[in-house]
Amino acid sequence: DAGVTQSPTHLIKTRGQQVTLRCSPKSGHDTVSWYQQALGQGPQFIFQYYEEEERQRGNFPDRFSGHQFPNYSSELNVNALLLGDSALYLCASSQYFNLLHGQYFGPGTRLLVL
Amino acid sequence: GIQVEQSPPDLILQEGANSTLRCNFSDSVNNLQWFHQNPWGQLINLFYIPSGTKQNGRLSATTVATERYSLLYISSSQTTDSGVYFCAVEPLNTGTASKLTFGTGTRLQVTL
Repeated sequence: DAGVTQSPTHLIKTRGQQVTLRCSPKSGHDTVSWYQQALGQGPQFIFQYYEEEERQRGNFPDRFSGHQFPNYSSELNVNALLLGDSALYLCASSQYFNLLHGQYFGPGTRLLVL
Repeated sequence: GIQVEQSPPDLILQEGANSTLRCNFSDSVNNLQWFHQNPWGQLINLFYIPSGTKQNGRLSATTVATERYSLLYISSSQTTDSGVYFCAVEPLNTGTASKLTFGTGTRLQVTL
């Protein structure tokens, strides 16, 4: 049973560029959430997708957008990259109506903006 | 929003020692999870424990929901236990999956 997978593992971009990160949820999960973790801090919630719709959003600008596909996989897009967007981006999957098991995280994508 | 505080922020132990990590949260929760983040950044699920006590090998956790705190116990620590331990909570809501709010973590170093 594959867990949560993310790609790519590492990425280097320059300011102003755009980036797309990908996530495949754990088998049986239908909900994907994205988190940003800056160095030395805890992960911060970006947004959550269920049934291909954004259900909740954290305190992130509109430069951060996402998408969920019919197979439950998801993409995170960041436009007009800033130096401060350098971070570990984590994807988590869960079951929307089953709260008994919590969220499971992927290995993350390390983004460096130069 | 809900606030999550963890203590201590840093902990250094000798191999074989026991430790207790604490997580305080400011409001009622649907979900509380403990994670271990390894040096490569992977968040490993330790416990899903909105209330009660659970044990898994050398690790155990207790959440007292009415008093809004949770404890993670590590016994006979090993060098592989090193890393950052996070507590994360999901606020009480309508019963659907919601966002996790993380604490600031406890950085644990286990030495030989």
